[in-house]
Amino acid sequence: DAGITQSPRHKVTETGTPVTLRCHQTENHRYMYWYRQDPGHGLRLIHYSYGVKDTDKGEVSDGYSVSRSKTEDFLLTLESATSSQTSVYFCAVGWGFEAFFGQGTRLTVV
Amino acid sequence: QQQVKQSPQSLIVQKGGIPIINCAYENTAFDYFPWYQQFPGKGPALLIAIRPDVSEKKEGRFTISFNKSAKQFSLHIMDSQPGDSATYFCAASRPKAAGNKLTFGGGTRVLVKP
Repeated sequence: DAGITQSPRHKVTETGTPVTLRCHQTENHRYMYWYRQDPGHGLRLIHYSYGVKDTDKGEVSDGYSVSRSKTEDFLLTLESATSSQTSVYFCAVGWGFEAFFGQGTRLTVV
Repeated sequence: QQQVKQSPQSLIVQKGGIPIINCAYENTAFDYFPWYQQFPGKGPALLIAIRPDVSEKKEGRFTISFNKSAKQFSLHIMDSQPGDSATYFCAASRPKAAGNKLTFGGGTRVLVKP
């Protein structure tokens, strides 16, 4: 599992509330990624990081922000959760075509 | 806009059959084409990958066929087993571009019946 831990694994939250998901890695990977998985859409990149405090947007970044203050931790924040952000969120590390994914966080926004 | 299109969305085969999953892409800047396998409740895991200058690659019972001129590639699962039941994603990567980002297809749920 490339030493990736996502927390929480499951969360139910109310519309309009902020939510932070955490990804922790133990293998010192430079690149870290946040994806969301929705039926029929595969995995879509939200944000990624290429080093401490170095982040950039992916294809579905609206409504999300990220932070990386340490090599091992990459946080994803939903600033004001909406029902359209109900999804399974995956953190990944890796390089090129080889990515290692965490177990995922199932987020439900009610 | 989905840059990698995958079909079919789901597939049911009998044990020993050969499920075939197809993907198509537009961007010729992609330079690696991996396949990922995902079991329920788990994250995707790399299964096999191919470069566009290779027409076929085999790893065990999994084979990728690649047609560069048609911008299409496919995954064949030979002698499929119930344990192969999973969701499969094709993807394309651009290692030289910023972020080493992967672009995924929509996924195919494969069920292998005993």
